[in-house]
Amino acid sequence: GQQLNQSPQSMFIQEGEDVSMNCTSSSIFNTWLWYKQDPGEGPVLLIALYKAGELTSNGRLTAQFGITRKDSFLNISASIPSDVGIYFCAGRGNAGGTSYGKLTFGQGTILTVHP
Amino acid sequence: DGGITQSPKYLFRKEGQNVTLSCEQNLNHDAMYWYRQDPGQGLRLIYYSQIVNDFQKGDIAEGYSVSREKKESFPLTVTSAQKNPTAFYLCASSIQREVYEQYFGPGTRLTVT
Repeated sequence: GQQLNQSPQSMFIQEGEDVSMNCTSSSIFNTWLWYKQDPGEGPVLLIALYKAGELTSNGRLTAQFGITRKDSFLNISASIPSDVGIYFCAGRGNAGGTSYGKLTFGQGTILTVHP
Repeated sequence: DGGITQSPKYLFRKEGQNVTLSCEQNLNHDAMYWYRQDPGQGLRLIYYSQIVNDFQKGDIAEGYSVSREKKESFPLTVTSAQKNPTAFYLCASSIQREVYEQYFGPGTRLTVT
């Protein structure tokens, strides 16, 4: 099946620093989503991307849909302690048929922000 | 307020017992999903339902069963056939199957001993 490789697996940064993480796929994706999960809670949707090359912002977060349609990037500017959590990418490929509506998730990036 | 509720937050069962996890949404979404999350791993799809009275197996459906008798409800039963049932279970929904933005509930942590 389709697989996503998300990196880095974890990051330890100082408050105020910028953060970058990415996801790559072995196949073309038509949709990229980025979620944040706090410990013991469900993921919360941050940004959705639907077109190759698309660049979308949500406050201090910016995500891009890669031109090759096989990758996506998430940047967080001026990090703050509440940015701590696990960030997941998710993608929807072009398999069609019974996989319609199904998302593939990356393994997550664990972000720790030191005050 | 619209949203997805899962209950209970924590569930403990003895090995060999079936257990049903609740998922209810008042978002008027057509599609609902069940995922399993293990430490250090992404979310893996168990079952999904695109409309009432219809559901499809996901990537790891063995040992699980679901029903979709009402649009608002999509309960998941973890059966005794599931070899490693201890995990964090997440329910999600989307407006319809053509819309890929999924919204998640708070999750249920199941511990089987």
